[in-house]
Amino acid sequence: EDQVTQSPEALRLQEGESSSLNCSYTVSGLRGLFWYRQDPGKGPEFLFTLYSAGEEKEKERLKATLTKKESFLHITAPKPEDSATYLCAVQAGGFKTIFGAGTRLFVKA
Amino acid sequence: DTEVTQTPKHLVMGMTNKKSLKCEQHMGHRAMYWYKQKAKKPPELMFVYSYEKLSINESVPSRFSPECPNSSLLNLHLHALQPEDSALYLCASSPRGGMGETQYFGPGTRLLVL
Repeated sequence: EDQVTQSPEALRLQEGESSSLNCSYTVSGLRGLFWYRQDPGKGPEFLFTLYSAGEEKEKERLKATLTKKESFLHITAPKPEDSATYLCAVQAGGFKTIFGAGTRLFVKA
Repeated sequence: DTEVTQTPKHLVMGMTNKKSLKCEQHMGHRAMYWYKQKAKKPPELMFVYSYEKLSINESVPSRFSPECPNSSLLNLHLHALQPEDSALYLCASSPRGGMGETQYFGPGTRLLVL
């Protein structure tokens, strides 16, 4: 059965303290892995799409990487405004997109 | 422009009411999606429309009825809902509904069923 697991569930950082969020997946035939940011009560905001192992993408303080079993979202020198829930999702053999439970990030000034 | 709009932002309804949620996109996308999200949980897929045809129904109860009048519009008709249906309802769109496509989400409609 296709599965997506994100860790940690919650992460508390000081401003400027870099860290990484993990997304492990077990799917048959990965078609795409997606990272979204979601603020409370709002819709997910698209960050990155990764398609193959070794691929990396960057946007401001965020960098996403992909291996055959997991993806990392690296946050460099985070700011309080980076506080949000970060969702990882995968699309495999079917058309259904499977979301992980998310990592809630809190960045303190 | 990667904007998906949803109306209303908030909706309160009784269990005997009939209401509709509306979603609109002007990105030329041909696939549109409805998701349901409970508090502190990930989004769960409900329906997928591809080229205005229903392609996926994730065993959603019949009290939820989707409609896709054209490629830019998606509605979700609600009737005789239960309190446990209270959630954030998210609409998303993607270029063609093909595999590996990025989905762009709207801001959601917060629904409360009394």
